[in-house]
Amino acid sequence: QVQLQQWGAGLLKPSETLSLTCAVYGGSFSGYYWSWIRQPPGKGLEWIGEINHSGSTNYNPSLKSRVTISVDTSKNQFSLKLSSVTAADTAVYYCARGVPDYDFWSGYFLDWFDPWGQGTLVTVSS
Amino acid sequence: SSELTQDPAVSVALGQTVRITCQGDSLRSYYASWYQQKPGQAPVLVIYGKNNRPSGIPDRFSGSSSGNTASLTITGAQAEDEADYYCNSRDSSGNHHVVFGGGTKLTVL
Repeated sequence: QVQLQQWGAGLLKPSETLSLTCAVYGGSFSGYYWSWIRQPPGKGLEWIGEINHSGSTNYNPSLKSRVTISVDTSKNQFSLKLSSVTAADTAVYYCARGVPDYDFWSGYFLDWFDPWGQGTLVTVSS
Repeated sequence: SSELTQDPAVSVALGQTVRITCQGDSLRSYYASWYQQKPGQAPVLVIYGKNNRPSGIPDRFSGSSSGNTASLTITGAQAEDEADYYCNSRDSSGNHHVVFGGGTKLTVL
């Protein structure tokens, strides 16, 4: 059973860099997309970006200029850095495993996030 | 298009059937996945693909898709099903960016 455990600083000042790491336990690192997703208080889910085992990344265009996602396959870990944070970046941040697939019968693509990390509340305040 | 649209809130009487919908152009080529989120908890996958349930998800949860609309159906809703539900897929623009619906708050009366 794959489990994700995440950690990082929970309180930042404006203009600082958010840094979170997610460790993957109990499963293969390859063949999946390793994602970061956030949720501002009382709001919905927002995808931040993803990385695969070879280091290829894909970022939300709205955050791309400030986001770096990296991977350390030797430790089965991936990390998020978000620079120049403001109060608008206050959110619970989740790491998650993205599973891609294709249904040949229907011709539909599919992917899903499972499992998720426990979440880290990051508050940006002066 | 990169948007998935969900009704903000839906209610259902205990034991009745409820359908939560998700609309978006990307759903013509992507199956939606569905997540249940209870207060203070991380989202949990409940449906993925055409109509697949992860281990441990009750069979009262089912999924379907038609055109640009995906649906999550709960047949015989229980009190513990009260939660926020989110759909997701990737956009159909070719960039393969992940998109989430805005979420539906399900109240079980």
